[in-house]
Order: sequence, then structure tokens, then C-alpha cells
Amino acid sequence: DVKVTQSSRYLVKRTGEKVFLECVQDMDHENMFWYRQDPGLGLRLIYFSYDVKMKEKGDIPEGYSVSREKKERFSLILESASTNQTSMYLCASRLRGSGNTIYFGEGSWLTVV
Amino acid sequence: ELKVEQNPLFLSMQEGKNYTIYCNYSTTSDRLYWYRQDPGKSLESLFVLLSNGAVKQEGRLMASLDTKARLSTLHITAAVHDLSATYFCAVDIGDFNKFYFGSGTKLNVKP
Repeated sequence: DVKVTQSSRYLVKRTGEKVFLECVQDMDHENMFWYRQDPGLGLRLIYFSYDVKMKEKGDIPEGYSVSREKKERFSLILESASTNQTSMYLCASRLRGSGNTIYFGEGSWLTVV
Repeated sequence: ELKVEQNPLFLSMQEGKNYTIYCNYSTTSDRLYWYRQDPGKSLESLFVLLSNGAVKQEGRLMASLDTKARLSTLHITAAVHDLSATYFCAVDIGDFNKFYFGSGTKLNVKP
């Protein structure tokens, strides 16, 4: 079974803190994603990585950065957390190539106070 | 900008009834995916549709794809309470296969 593991399920952080969300996949997938999910807005792509050290901005990259130093690990960084970044964050991975579905982690619920 | 639109956004139905969820997308693609999300949980893959006219079925759910109309449907037959969840469609485009999701359809099947 494909396993996408997000290190923290629930976090509470203060405004201005630097926040790291870690994601690890065990299936040697090239593509990894970070989405945020908010009620009524569905899933919005923050960043996407198609290989080690390679990344592309999604639709809402502002306030976020990412790191992919190893193939299995994709980290999302909030440089200075703000209350409007309170959300559920979903990491996902997939094998490169057409027609391969995405596999999601369990999600990280972040509250910024 | 790619748009993926689902309707309805909310659907309340009685057990035993049939209904269809629609997914429209705004750009050319022949790759369409359906996912299910239970409350508080992550998304799991339901169907992968990879060509015009593709049809996939699993239990009471059947998905189809019309690439010319840029439309996919998820048909529910004789709904049961266990199908209550939020259903998402997604389209992948571009050289690196970025995925774009619809807003989701929250389905509530009442006993």
C-alpha cells in the first residue's frame, strides 16, 4: 500500500512563528504536492514538486515556501504564520506519468492564534 | 486559468434514490479523477478516467467522461447511507501533471 505520512495531525502556532509541515512518502514517487483545504473552497494547490530540488508554484504560494532535498520528503514552510493560514493542509504524491492517481496523507490541521 | 466546477455542491437524498454529480472543466484534458472524502479524513481515490467515453463502475457508483463536452459524471444508483461523504473530481494538465480539484459535492444520504 502507498503510504503518505504527515508528521503532525494537529498543530497550534502563534502568529509570526515559523512553521514546518513535513511529509514523507514510501513509494518512490517523483511528484509531490501541498494543498490546503478550506470549507467552500475545495482543495487549492500551494506548491508542487516534480523531482528532487524542483518545485513549481501552485495557485496560492504567497506566504509559503517548500523544500525537497530528498525524493521521499516534501516540506511546507510558513515563514511567518498568520491567522489566515489556519486551515487543513494535505500532502500528496504520485508516480510521474499520465493517468496515475494522487495519494493523500491524512492531513495536518493547523490553527494559528 | 483552469476551472473545475462541480454541481451540485450539496446533495441530500433518500436511500434508494438515484442521482448524478456533474464535473465540468475549462481546458482540454482526457484525464479525470474522482475522490471520496469522509468527514475529518483524507481523500481516497475512486476512479481514474483516461479517455473519451471511459466508464468505470464500483458498486453503486459509476463514473463517465466526455472529453468533447469537458464533462464527467458520477452516478449514484440506489443510494445507501454509507455513501454519505464529499466527492471531488480533479483534472490533471500540463507537462508535469499538476492536479486541479473541484470544490467538492457533499452528499448526505438519509435513511
